[in-house]
Amino acid sequence: EIVMTQSPDTLSLSPGERATLSCRASQSVSSSYLVWYQQKRGQAPRLLIYGASSRATGVPDRFSGSGSGTDFTLTISRLEPEDFAVYSCQQYGNLPITFGQGTRLEIK
Amino acid sequence: QVQLLQSGTEMKKPGASVKISCKASGYTFTNFGMHWVRQAPGQRLEWMGRIDGGSGVTQYSQKFQGGVTITRDTFANTVYMELSSLRSEDTAVYYCVRGCSGGSCYWVFGYWGQGTLVTVSS
Repeated sequence: EIVMTQSPDTLSLSPGERATLSCRASQSVSSSYLVWYQQKRGQAPRLLIYGASSRATGVPDRFSGSGSGTDFTLTISRLEPEDFAVYSCQQYGNLPITFGQGTRLEIK
Repeated sequence: QVQLLQSGTEMKKPGASVKISCKASGYTFTNFGMHWVRQAPGQRLEWMGRIDGGSGVTQYSQKFQGGVTITRDTFANTVYMELSSLRSEDTAVYYCVRGCSGGSCYWVFGYWGQGTLVTVSS
């Protein structure tokens, strides 16, 4: 199975700053089948990005995804207070689909 | 709007089984599959398996093959996930999740249930 590794584990930033989160796959992800989710404490994950770079419905344009092959990035251009959460990536190019361990984005 | 409503918190002893339900509304049940994903405390999300809403065909992650059974009731628009021979490592929040009807986005989880906490402890 494809192992997804995210970095860093924790990212400490201030509102207004730019966040860059990384997701690396142990082998190439077919057709950039890569998803990003946001999860707040006590809540289910929320879909942000699919196909590596397509924003889901209702997701603000400060969120963007990029990458291909084995290296993917989620960028939040200007952090809002509500953006501090855990972000997980998921590949769906090969079964079983697999998730990263998550990056916790915390307020500095 | 699409809603996935799961059954409540469960506490089980090791070796027991648990069956969680997920009632779907807001869409044509038989046109979409349903997946189950779990998250143990402090751990990453894990895909367990899925069921086709129309045909009832199931597919399981190899890790859960033989220990998980996913079924559906098309009259009740409900999907069930039964996990047997529970161990403490099965303590987790279990989610039913739905993607789109077909193609690659079948595996893109835009809709999530609220989660069901299963605690396994003697």
